[in-house]
Amino acid sequence: EIVMTQSPATLSLSPGERATLSCRASQSVGSNLAWYQQKPGQAPRVLIYGAFKRATGLPARFSGSGSGAEFTLTISGLQSEDFAVYYCQQYNHWPRTFGQGTKVELK
Amino acid sequence: QVQLQESGPGLMKPLETLSLTCTVSGASIRSYYWSWIRQPPGRGPEVIGFIFYSGDTNSNPSLKGRVTMSLDMSKNQISLKLSSVTTADTAVYYCARDNIDSTLFAGYDPWGQGIPVIVSS
Repeated sequence: EIVMTQSPATLSLSPGERATLSCRASQSVGSNLAWYQQKPGQAPRVLIYGAFKRATGLPARFSGSGSGAEFTLTISGLQSEDFAVYYCQQYNHWPRTFGQGTKVELK
Repeated sequence: QVQLQESGPGLMKPLETLSLTCTVSGASIRSYYWSWIRQPPGRGPEVIGFIFYSGDTNSNPSLKGRVTMSLDMSKNQISLKLSSVTTADTAVYYCARDNIDSTLFAGYDPWGQGIPVIVSS
């Protein structure tokens, strides 16, 4: 099973700042990497797939990069609605696996 | 707009079989792969398995053959059975569609609202 490791566990930032979230896979997953956002009491919502492709309607301040085993989600200019938990997920190998999440909290 | 709604019991005893149903509206279940995903308290999601109307199905090896998934075309529903539950199976259970972009997986979208399941004696 591919283990997905996210860092940091918590990111404390202010509105308008840039958030940089990291995700590392225990082996290469190519570009088969998705990012999700989850708010309290809600299901996760897909943001990015294929490592860098934005889901329909996703604001341009969200961007994904990386390939192989190292990936980054960047949020350029945090808005109030962006404070949430973010998960990466690989779908190159079965079972598909998620990371443990990075919480982006208000500083 | 595609919507998914999970239903089933919220409280189980150890060794019982959990049965959940996901009702899909806005899309035919013949048209996509459908997945079950669970999220234990305070942890990341875990994929349980997927099913397609052709019979293509697979489940997470960590669940050691305890998973059965099926489709009811007449009701546009997806079902999950998880046998011999333990406290480790306590989680919010979601159904989700495998979204596709030019035949490639494009993330789980949409998800149901989730149903919390507690396993306790």
